[in-house]
Formats: sequence, structure tokens, C-alpha cells
Amino acid sequence: SQQGEEDPQALSIQEGENATMNCSYKTSINNLQWYRQNSGRGLVHLILIRSNEREKHSGRLRVTLDTSKKSSSLLITASRAADTASYFCATDAKGNKLVFGAGTILRVKS
Amino acid sequence: DAGVIQSPRHEVTEMGQEVTLRCKPISGHNSLFWYRQTMMRGLELLIYFNNNVPIDDSGMPEDRFSAKMPNASFSTLKIQPSEPRDSAVYFCASSLRITGEYEQYFGPGTRLTVT
Repeated sequence: SQQGEEDPQALSIQEGENATMNCSYKTSINNLQWYRQNSGRGLVHLILIRSNEREKHSGRLRVTLDTSKKSSSLLITASRAADTASYFCATDAKGNKLVFGAGTILRVKS
Repeated sequence: DAGVIQSPRHEVTEMGQEVTLRCKPISGHNSLFWYRQTMMRGLELLIYFNNNVPIDDSGMPEDRFSAKMPNASFSTLKIQPSEPRDSAVYFCASSLRITGEYEQYFGPGTRLTVT
């Protein structure tokens, strides 16, 4: 069963707008990671946030983690057409393997 | 670094045939993962290895699936006999596992179609 569940399932925005995706999970975690998948490609790691961190930035990406609510959000600022992809959260619960959510499909219209 | 290499990129086979998927992880990585991705079930972990040893194969759907890692630079996933419901994209990923956290590097995937 999937540990992480992304919301929304799909998101369509205009270039330049911000995109926010959410992830909820069920059990305690060591860390949470976000990955991007372009159509027909493998997943690419974007950012990792540890369970004792609340916020992390990487370029136009901002990730927050609320362990009390067992949720995380990924914010992409000033979106570009090239950001069009599927975004997955993955939780590391036992330090052994990642469990991926179902993903959010983001479409950025130019 | 060339990244994770998978072959073949596409495989079309008939039901009942044996299929072998291959993976070369990133040099120096000590963990290797096999995933299957379908529209219906999303991304599923099939099996993973640490230092060439299978650690968790609980995701392997049936005995028809088997995986090996004879050395640090090569792994195979075999399906025998294949069935139409095995049609999916199979990904291999590798990581340098440092206690507590690691990121995974994915290969381009093998798109398997079983007719």
C-alpha cells in the first residue's frame, strides 16, 4: 500500500504562477523526498527534508514538513513550461526503502 | 558518470516467453532497487539489494519473478513465464546508502509489453 498520497491528482496553471502540491502519509518517517518524472523518463530526485526539519529551499522549490499532521507540501515558484511533469513524494519510514505516492500531474501552460 | 543504465529500453514479447531486464547501477553505489510502474498501481517496489544481497523481495508479485545481483555493477530481473498483466515500465534505481537518508537515481526504464 502507498504510504504517501499526493493532492491534487492533477494541476494546471499558467506560466509564471506558483504551483503547490501536497503529500500526506501514515506512519512516522525518517525523511521525506520529492521526485519529478517527465513523460517517458525515470524519476529525478528534487529535494529531501529530514523529520526534524520544517522547511527547506532549493532554487525555485520550497518544501515544508509538518510531522504532527503527517503532511508535506512542495511549492514551485514562478513556474515554467519545463516544469510540466509528474511529482511524487516518497517517504523513508524504516531507513531501508522509499515508498512512493501516486503523484501529482502538473501542467504549466505557456 | 553515465547514470543508471537499463536494457533493453523496449521489449515486446508473447505470453509465456521469458523476459530478462538488465541494469547497471552507478559506480560506487551500494543499493539497487527494481520498481514497476503502471497507471493502475503506480510505482511499486519489487525488490532491493544492499551490497549485492537481496534485502526485501516482498514486492515481487509472484514466483514468476526473480532478480539477481551477481556483482556490484550488474543486476537482472527475470519474468518466466510472462503474462499480459506484466506489461509495465520497469525501473532500476541505485543509491549510495548512508545511514538514515539517501536519494535514489533512476534509470530510463524498460517498457515491457506482453501480448
